[in-house]
Amino acid sequence: ETGVTQTPRHLVMGMTNKKSLKCEQHLGHNAMYWYKQSAKKPLELMFVYNFKEQTENNSVPSRFSPECPNSSHLFLHLHTLQPEDSALYLCASSPRDAGVDQETQYFGPGTRLLVL
Amino acid sequence: KQEVTQIPAALSVPEGENLVLNCSFTDSAIYNLQWFRQDPGKGLTSLLLIQSSQREQTSGRLNASLDKSSGRSTLYIAASQPGDSATYLCAVRRGFQKLVFGTGTRLLVSP
Repeated sequence: ETGVTQTPRHLVMGMTNKKSLKCEQHLGHNAMYWYKQSAKKPLELMFVYNFKEQTENNSVPSRFSPECPNSSHLFLHLHTLQPEDSALYLCASSPRDAGVDQETQYFGPGTRLLVL
Repeated sequence: KQEVTQIPAALSVPEGENLVLNCSFTDSAIYNLQWFRQDPGKGLTSLLLIQSSQREQTSGRLNASLDKSSGRSTLYIAASQPGDSATYLCAVRRGFQKLVFGTGTRLLVSP
């Protein structure tokens, strides 16, 4: 266990549905991340939050809407997704005050999403 | 744009063999390189982190090397075991909170 939990672990949704992914970290970290892992593609960084503020949006379509109510929780709200959005969505956290050469991200187990 | 490539994409070996996984990156301006292990349903686990000024790191049966000037890293696994079966990911750090991942090598070690 890395101290980062994600729910649900599996999700099937239609293109007109609205759903949310949840991530919680128990490590006292101040930075949280959403990544997307599609089949045969590298992990892609989607969003970064530092101290609850979004500091990076890697050109993610607006049908993905993140929310970070506090440093321990991160959500990804999903709306009118496309089949090509089917992927493994990974959450990660890290201590914000680590130097760039010492920073380590801790990953959750991911949510496997299938969009029909 | 930094690109990270891992070869081979998949590898199957009998138990006990020593093996090498390869990672190459296009831009040598990195802070460090990290090897992760990904197990189905368990997310990513960090195995080794090599600073840009270092040449190698060792942990148990794992040894990772880094040649920053040529844009290459290798992960050496000694005396492989079935429990080593997983996908191994290489990631380079190009800035604070900016990891660039490779596509991974899927390893299967047979008893």
